[in-house]
Amino acid sequence: EVQLVESGGGLVKPGGSLRLSCAASGFTFSGYSMNWVRQAPGKGLEWVSSINSRSSFIYYADSVKGRFTISRDNAKSSLFLQMNSLRAEDTAVYYCARREGTGWSAAWGQGTRVTVSS
Amino acid sequence: EIVLTQSPATLSLSPGERATLSCGASQSISTIYLAWYQQKPGLAPRLLIYETSIRATGVPNRFSGSGAGTDFTLTISRLEPEDFAVYYCQQYSPSGTFGQGTKLEIK
Repeated sequence: EVQLVESGGGLVKPGGSLRLSCAASGFTFSGYSMNWVRQAPGKGLEWVSSINSRSSFIYYADSVKGRFTISRDNAKSSLFLQMNSLRAEDTAVYYCARREGTGWSAAWGQGTRVTVSS
Repeated sequence: EIVLTQSPATLSLSPGERATLSCGASQSISTIYLAWYQQKPGLAPRLLIYETSIRATGVPNRFSGSGAGTDFTLTISRLEPEDFAVYYCQQYSPSGTFGQGTKLEIK
């Protein structure tokens, strides 16, 4: 069974940092590109970042470019999102999702909540 | 950056009725890069349709997708009670931007 389990969320002050993790199991993690997607309270889905299987292609939404860094450790079947210079508008549930085929996502984690507040 | 605009924002229908949800793109998208998701409160999104018209595993055949270029549609032929949720379109070439969502509510 494909499983994605996010962790690392919590309460952080504006300007602070947080590192999210996504532990993958049930599939060959090194063979898939991955996404981070977030959802602010009461709002829609927002794509945050994507990374291909070898970390050679990385993309970011303009809203997080220069502040967030996506990375992965294929040996540990893990995906990461380093979030720096956090703002109130980064408050959201953060999901990791597996990219398949041309880029859709059928497998999602349950999400981890990040709250940026003083 | 491609912007996706979904309409209507809210759709009020009764079970048994047909639902038509629209997704417009700010520039042409290949049909292989368009997906639809369903999301219920407190849950992660569920993939319904990928590559514009292919139903994901386990998705009932009352769900169908169509479109090309800048105009895409998700149709639910006969609404079941469990279909009332929020629906998002997504383009994934090469990023992954979403539309703002359509809330399908019970009339």
